[in-house]
Amino acid sequence: NAGVMQNPRHLVRRRGQEARLRCSPMKGHSHVYWYRQLPEEGLKFMVYLQKENIIDESGMPKERFSAEFPKEGPSILRIQQVVRGDSAAYFCASSPEKGRGVKTQYFGPGTRLLVL
Amino acid sequence: GENVEQHPSTLSVQEGDSAVIKCTYSDSASNYFPWYKQELGKGPQLIIDIRSNVGEKKDQRIAVTLNKTAKHFSLHITETQPEDSAVYFCAASIGTNTGNQFYFGTGTSLTVIP
Repeated sequence: NAGVMQNPRHLVRRRGQEARLRCSPMKGHSHVYWYRQLPEEGLKFMVYLQKENIIDESGMPKERFSAEFPKEGPSILRIQQVVRGDSAAYFCASSPEKGRGVKTQYFGPGTRLLVL
Repeated sequence: GENVEQHPSTLSVQEGDSAVIKCTYSDSASNYFPWYKQELGKGPQLIIDIRSNVGEKKDQRIAVTLNKTAKHFSLHITETQPEDSAVYFCAASIGTNTGNQFYFGTGTSLTVIP
């Protein structure tokens, strides 16, 4: 069973460009979470999605950031007009739909975004 | 919202010794507490978790304890090995049947000295 896949693993953008980060959840998982990790800090929640629905986007900046998880294909985190402060590691996690209580989240390898 | 604090931020131990990492949380509604290990350049890997109806859980050299009254939980690694060197994160979640976000501590960088 393949784990959570993320691509690209590294992404370099100049200020003002757009960054697109992709996440394919584990097989059988329909919940996707995006987290951001700044250097030497913990992970900060950004957004939680199920197929075709955003469930909780309370951690995502209101401007320039958007996320989607279409019926077909990976989840995408999109950052428009990137600034240097967007440089960070972005991690995707997935969890299964079925089962009671809190679902364990399994993380991908991350995308390291560098804005020049 | 939930606030998770983690100590120490760095920890060095001799190979074979034990390592203990402690976390506190603020929201008494939190009921799920996972621990993740992150190696350089990689994503966090789940190593052990505990739910609020359990006080202690053990998996080989790793154990986690939970004190709901005091709102703190700890990771214990016994007989440490060099490959245990990594950054460890605790997290807390107010779980629902539809899933919820994890609140992470700031991490503990563990170095096991051969």
